[in-house]
Amino acid sequence: AQSVTQLGSHVSVSEGALVLLRCNYSSSVPPYLFWYVQYPNQGLQLLLKYTTGATLVKGINGFEAEFKKSETSFHLTKPSAHMSDAAEYFCAVSSAQGGSEKLVFGKGTKLTVNP
Amino acid sequence: DARVTQTPRHKVTEMGQEVTMRCQPILGHNTVFWYRQTMMQGLELLAYFRNRAPLDDSGMPKDRFSAEMPDATLATLKIQPSEPRDSAVYFCASGLPQVQPQHFGDGTRLSIL
Repeated sequence: AQSVTQLGSHVSVSEGALVLLRCNYSSSVPPYLFWYVQYPNQGLQLLLKYTTGATLVKGINGFEAEFKKSETSFHLTKPSAHMSDAAEYFCAVSSAQGGSEKLVFGKGTKLTVNP
Repeated sequence: DARVTQTPRHKVTEMGQEVTMRCQPILGHNTVFWYRQTMMQGLELLAYFRNRAPLDDSGMPKDRFSAEMPDATLATLKIQPSEPRDSAVYFCASGLPQVQPQHFGDGTRLSIL
């Protein structure tokens, strides 16, 4: 079974500050890892994904994440927060084995950006 | 941009009533997922289909929930009878096998009184 733990249900940063959202996963097979963002009253949008290859993944809106197998982590970062980054962020894992596309989501982290 | 379309966006009904939620996947996508989002449980996969056939519905309460794909352009999720604990946001997503990401609709916000 796969699982995702997102540390911190709420994170607050100042505009221009570093954003760090933590995600740890558990998987018995090589994982596919994802970060999604959800704005109020909307569905989820993909920020970035890791499948294979380069462990540092760049996504949209200046976000990036690094896959660290030894730490079973996939933390999301952005060097400088913008007011428009305020949203809820979800980390998810999928099994690379067998082509399964089922996503298991973390509980989410709500990001607040203060002016 | 192609989008997953869900209807209705909001639904308020009384306990015991039948609820039907509809999803139009992106044209050409043959895999459709239903998720439920609540404050307590977060995002849970209820069921998913490929080429209109159910692949996994283990996350769905079988006694009251049913999911179908009458054709490639329509997926439905029904609850009968509905209960207050079914209140949640229900998301549909579509995609292609072994090709991520899944594309999500904007959800149906369901309130059972």
